Amino acid sequence: KNEVEQSPQNLTAQEGEFITINCSYSVGISALHWLQQHPGGGIVSLFMLSSGKKKHGRLIATINIQEKHSSLHITASHPRDSAVYICAVRSGGGADGLTFGKGTHLIIQP
Amino acid sequence: NAGVTQTPKFQVLKTGQSMTLQCAQDMNHEYMSWYRQDPGMGLRLIHYSVGAGITDQGEVPNGYNVSRSTTEDFPLRLLSAAPSQTSVYFCASSYAGTNYGYTFGSGTRLTVV
Repeated sequence: KNEVEQSPQNLTAQEGEFITINCSYSVGISALHWLQQHPGGGIVSLFMLSSGKKKHGRLIATINIQEKHSSLHITASHPRDSAVYICAVRSGGGADGLTFGKGTHLIIQP
Repeated sequence: NAGVTQTPKFQVLKTGQSMTLQCAQDMNHEYMSWYRQDPGMGLRLIHYSVGAGITDQGEVPNGYNVSRSTTEDFPLRLLSAAPSQTSVYFCASSYAGTNYGYTFGSGTRLTVV
């Protein structure tokens, strides 16, 4: 079973700061997902990575397959970025589901 | 709007009651799955399906049944609810294969008293 660890668990920052959230996993994967969950519960998919780096607006996600590590970066953070960010991995190439980290609770203060 | 629809959004059950959580998607996704989210824990896989007529167990399947009679629908059944099943439940769907993202439903908050 893959173990997914996220750090930090909680992060409070000021508006405009550069944010980094880390995710490490124990077993080789076929894909890694970054998800966002706002208060009130809905889960939105931000990125799906199997290698390299992806960018969408102010969000950047990177993955190092050899080191079993991924990072999610937020540039020029804004209070609307406040949410729980969840890392999830898919271990197999077949029909198995996702294994999730416990999430990072991010608060951006104005 | 296209996506994953979960109903109901909230439900309170008494211990021993049964109910079905509904999940429907209109994106022709082959893969559908159910997760539960509990405080202090990551989401955990309950059951999943790779297509109509095919289901399998995830990490925490006990106390739950599923079926997949159509591509669109993947209901989750609680046959005899227990307080330990108090949780928030999410349904998610995806195209088959590893190169696709997941679409999540808005969740069902279930309380068993």
